[in-house]
Amino acid sequence: NAGVTQTPKFRILKIGQSMTLQCTQDMNHNYMYWYRQDPGMGLKLIYYSVGAGITDKGEVPNGYNVSRSTTEDFPLRLELAAPSQTSVYFCASKYGNSRNQPQHFGDGTRLSIL
Amino acid sequence: DQQVKQNSPSLSVQEGRISILNCDYTNSMFDYFLWYKKYPAEGPTFLISISSIKDKNEDGRFTVFLNKSAKHLSLHIVPSQPGDSAVYFCAASARTGANNLFFGTGTRLTVIP
Repeated sequence: NAGVTQTPKFRILKIGQSMTLQCTQDMNHNYMYWYRQDPGMGLKLIYYSVGAGITDKGEVPNGYNVSRSTTEDFPLRLELAAPSQTSVYFCASKYGNSRNQPQHFGDGTRLSIL
Repeated sequence: DQQVKQNSPSLSVQEGRISILNCDYTNSMFDYFLWYKKYPAEGPTFLISISSIKDKNEDGRFTVFLNKSAKHLSLHIVPSQPGDSAVYFCAASARTGANNLFFGTGTRLTVIP
């Protein structure tokens, strides 16, 4: 059972380049999330989705875009990479809106913008 | 503005003793709290949670206490084991929208054998 899978694990980008961080889950979870974690800081929510075709902004959405065409996949797009986007990115998913259901996290993508 | 705060970046405890990790929050709308544990190069994993209708929740060696009037919660680990060495994040949510989580900055626990 793979759970939440993120690819790639590491990436170095040049300023101005674009890339897509991939996230897929095999647990049939309808809720999915993208977080970033900066050094010494907590996780901050970038975007979330409550189901296929539905996405919404979190605390720090600027510079990112998302789409949710299937239940399984929730890619995060950086269009014009900036040094401030150097961070570790985590994808998470959960089943339903009940708060008794915890979020399940992937192992993260470490992204450096130089 | 950090709505969930963990003021101790690190904590060292001897194996077998109690570990107490603290968390404070500022948003009075928060009514559900969780603790996540994170090992290096892995994602956070859920540990234990508590609703504001309770002041204590226990799961094996892990107990979470909630003091609503002080807007404070703590995680107790008894007895502490070397495998508990990790970063612990406190998170909170309010009964609004999609019940999104707000995370603290984490406390690195080291359990010394």
